[in-house]
Amino acid sequence: KNEVEQSPQNLTAQEGEFITINCSYSVGISALHWLQQHPGGGIVSLFMLSSGKKKHGRLIATINIQEKHSSLHITASHPRDSAVYICAVRRMNRDDKIIFGKGTRLHILP
Amino acid sequence: GAGVSQTPSNKVTEKGKYVELRCDPISGHTALYWYRQSLGQGPEFLIYFQGTGAADDSGLPNDRFFAVRPEGSVSTLKIQRTERGDSAVYLCASSLGRDNTEAFFGQGTRLTVV
Repeated sequence: KNEVEQSPQNLTAQEGEFITINCSYSVGISALHWLQQHPGGGIVSLFMLSSGKKKHGRLIATINIQEKHSSLHITASHPRDSAVYICAVRRMNRDDKIIFGKGTRLHILP
Repeated sequence: GAGVSQTPSNKVTEKGKYVELRCDPISGHTALYWYRQSLGQGPEFLIYFQGTGAADDSGLPNDRFFAVRPEGSVSTLKIQRTERGDSAVYLCASSLGRDNTEAFFGQGTRLTVV
C-alpha cells in the first residue's frame, strides 16, 4: 500500500465547478505539500501545510493531522486550472524523506 | 539563481550510453532530493542529500545509478549503460533543511533513451 494515496485519480469538471482533491497518508509527517504540474513536467508548490488551513486566491488547502488527511479545493474552476495536482508529505523521521502521491489529473472544460 | 535549476531540460541518448543530469539548488539549501517520474505516475524517490552526504539512497533502482554532491551545493545524477526503461523526467528539489521547511522543485530533465 502506498504511504500517500490521492483521490480521485482523474477528474473532469465544467468551468465554474467547485473542485475537491483528497490526500490520505499513513505515516507521521512534519509537513504536507500540494503541488501543481502542468504538461511539460515543471512542478510548482502551491501550499505547504503542517496544520489547519491555507488560502491563496481560489485555492484552499486543509489538513487534519489526527485523521492523516488533507484536501485541496478550487473554487470557481477555470480551464487554466487543468493540470496534475500532487500531494507530497515530508516524513517525520530521521530520514526526512518526501513521499509523493500519484497525482490527480484535473481537466476543466470550458 | 532564484530557483532550482536543472540542466539539460531535455536529453536524448542512445541505449548503453552514459548520461549526467545536473541540479543547481537554491543557494544555502542543505537538503537536496532527486526523483524520477515516469509518464502518468507520481514522482518516485531516488536519493536525498543532507549537505555533501547521501542521507538516503534507497530509491536508486540499481547500481547503474549514482549521484554526487561534492561541495554540498550542485548535485549530479549519473546513469551508466542507459536502458530504454530509464526514460523519464528526473526532478530535483531542495530545501533549507529538515522538517518543516518548504521544498522547491526544479523544472526537471526529460531523459529519452532510444
